[in-house]
Amino acid sequence: EVQLVESGGHLVQPGGSLRLSCAASGFIFSDFSMNWVRQAPGKGLEWLSYISSRSSDIFYADSVKGRFTISRDNAKNSLFLQMNSLRVEDTAVYYCARDNGYLSFDSWGQGSLVTVSS
Amino acid sequence: EIVLTQSPGTLSLSPGERATLSCRASQSVSSNYLAWFQQKPGQAPRLLIYGASIRATGIPDRFSGSGSGTDFTLTISRLEPEDFAVYYCQNYGGSPPWTFGQGTKVEIK
Repeated sequence: EVQLVESGGHLVQPGGSLRLSCAASGFIFSDFSMNWVRQAPGKGLEWLSYISSRSSDIFYADSVKGRFTISRDNAKNSLFLQMNSLRVEDTAVYYCARDNGYLSFDSWGQGSLVTVSS
Repeated sequence: EIVLTQSPGTLSLSPGERATLSCRASQSVSSNYLAWFQQKPGQAPRLLIYGASIRATGIPDRFSGSGSGTDFTLTISRLEPEDFAVYYCQNYGGSPPWTFGQGTKVEIK
């Protein structure tokens, strides 16, 4: 069974940093690209970042470009999101999602809540 | 960037009724790389449809997707109690960003 488990979310002050992790199991992690998607309270889904299976291709949404960095460790079946210069508007539940090509984002984690507030 | 506009914002229906949800794209979606997700409160999104019309594994056949180019539809033939949720369409083809629509809430009338 495919499992994605996010961790690392908590309360942080504006301007602060946070690193989210996503632990993958139940599939060959190194065969799949991965994404981060977030959802602000009461709002819709926002795609944030993509990383290919070997980290050769990386993309970001304009809203986080230059502040967030996606990375992965295939040996440890883990995906990461380093978030710097956090803003109040970055408050959201952050999901990691497996990218299955034509099958779209076919598996999602349960989400990790990041709250940016003073 | 492809902007996806979903309508209506809220759909109020009774169990057993048919639900028709629309997703319109600001430009043609590449090779029908259009997906639909269901999200219930406190849960992660769940993939329902990919490739505009292909049901994901385990999705009941009362869910169907159609459309091409810029106009897409998700139909739920007969609403079950567990189908009341928010539905999002997503463009995942071509170059990023891979955008989502703003969502349609299907609520019990």
